[in-house]
Amino acid sequence: QVQLVESGGDVVQPGRSLRLSCAASGFTFSLYGIHWVRQAPGKGLEWVAYISHGGTAKSYADSVKGRFTVSRDNSKSTLYLQMNSLTAEDTAVYYCAKKGDDRTYGGSIDFWGQGTLVTVSS
Amino acid sequence: DIVMTQSPDSLAVSLGERATINCKSSQSVLHSSNNKNYLAWYQQKPGQPPKLLIYWASTRESGIPDRFSGSGSGTDFTLTISSLQAEDVAVYYCHQYLGTLTFGGGTKVEIK
Repeated sequence: QVQLVESGGDVVQPGRSLRLSCAASGFTFSLYGIHWVRQAPGKGLEWVAYISHGGTAKSYADSVKGRFTVSRDNSKSTLYLQMNSLTAEDTAVYYCAKKGDDRTYGGSIDFWGQGTLVTVSS
Repeated sequence: DIVMTQSPDSLAVSLGERATINCKSSQSVLHSSNNKNYLAWYQQKPGQPPKLLIYWASTRESGIPDRFSGSGSGTDFTLTISSLQAEDVAVYYCHQYLGTLTFGGGTKVEIK
């Protein structure tokens, strides 16, 4: 079965960096684009970043552009999110989320990991 | 970006009764090339990640009970739970995937 397991969440001070990982299994990782979506405590869902199946296409929300970098290692079935210059507004649960195949799902997210909590606080 | 607006923010429904959640997009999510609405619905229970219920506005995901249904086109959409069960208590989000992904603010469904 599909599994996405995020890790790397922690409590960090403002201005510091953190790298999140997302380990995938149960599907052919190299065939699917993956999103990062975050959810601040008690709030709604905010799309953060996307990387295509081969890693050549990337996109970012304006709120993180220039600070966050998404990457992937298809040989390890792992996705990464490098987060720099963190602020309190980045405090959230970060989910990696699999993009469904275009023909069936049109690109909607069809599966989410359990998430990892990032807290930015002094 | 396309803004998604859900209503109501919360609703309380008796067990076995109908729950209706509305979602409005700031621009049409109907793609002219395939006449499909790029609109999905997710269910999120406390402490859990979102779970896909509906995509293409009205196509139920595999394994989702048929009491969940989606309707609408263009800019106005509805998620209906025909007979609310205790396990349906959750926050429900609409989501457009035509452009940069955006989500509605969520609707909390509780038991009356």
